[in-house]
Amino acid sequence: GENVEQHPSTLSVQEGDSAVIKCTYSDSASNYFPWYKQELGKGPQLIIDIRSNVGEKKDQRIAVTLNKTAKHFSLHITETQPEDSAVYFCAASLVSGGYNKLIFGAGTRLAVHP
Amino acid sequence: KAGVTQTPRYLIKTRGQQVTLSCSPISGHRSVSWYQQTPGQGLQFLFEYFSETQRNKGNFPGRFSGRQFSNSRSEMNVSTLELGDSALYLCASRDRVSTDTQYFGPGTRLTVL
Repeated sequence: GENVEQHPSTLSVQEGDSAVIKCTYSDSASNYFPWYKQELGKGPQLIIDIRSNVGEKKDQRIAVTLNKTAKHFSLHITETQPEDSAVYFCAASLVSGGYNKLIFGAGTRLAVHP
Repeated sequence: KAGVTQTPRYLIKTRGQQVTLSCSPISGHRSVSWYQQTPGQGLQFLFEYFSETQRNKGNFPGRFSGRQFSNSRSEMNVSTLELGDSALYLCASRDRVSTDTQYFGPGTRLTVL
């Protein structure tokens, strides 16, 4: 079955630095890769996503890259701010017969220090 | 548009009891998925409902069940609660099963004593 590995499990950066979180998926049929941010006491919030026909996508300070050959995708946050501190989850979606389910990575706890 | 809502937000039960959690999707969304989140196992898919029918199922025992109503609201039931069922239960909605993007609610924190 589909498996998603996420690294690192914790990441500590200084405000203004960049943060990179990496994920690897196992099923080459996966075609949709969202990233979620979860703050304490809240549900996961979609921050960016990428589909398998695209190599890179950017939204202001956040970017995601996808390497289908290596089955890797990464989240890049530039100019980090304290409010970026949260747990980030990557996921891979496998669509079969019109139905999909999200397989999540274990999460990365990002701490941005002022 | 209002987001996904879940009730109750917090729940305390004892072993052996059963519990029902409720989820209202974003207006117009017809698909509801349920996930269990625990520190040890992370986010795990339970099941998905669309048009009142279960369309997809994860690897959970039969004690976990759900249903969806004609207005797309969904309920999830856990019978014969075990200590290991303590978790954050999340609901996510999307407008149809062929759409990738899912939006999560705030979750219901279930504690089993």
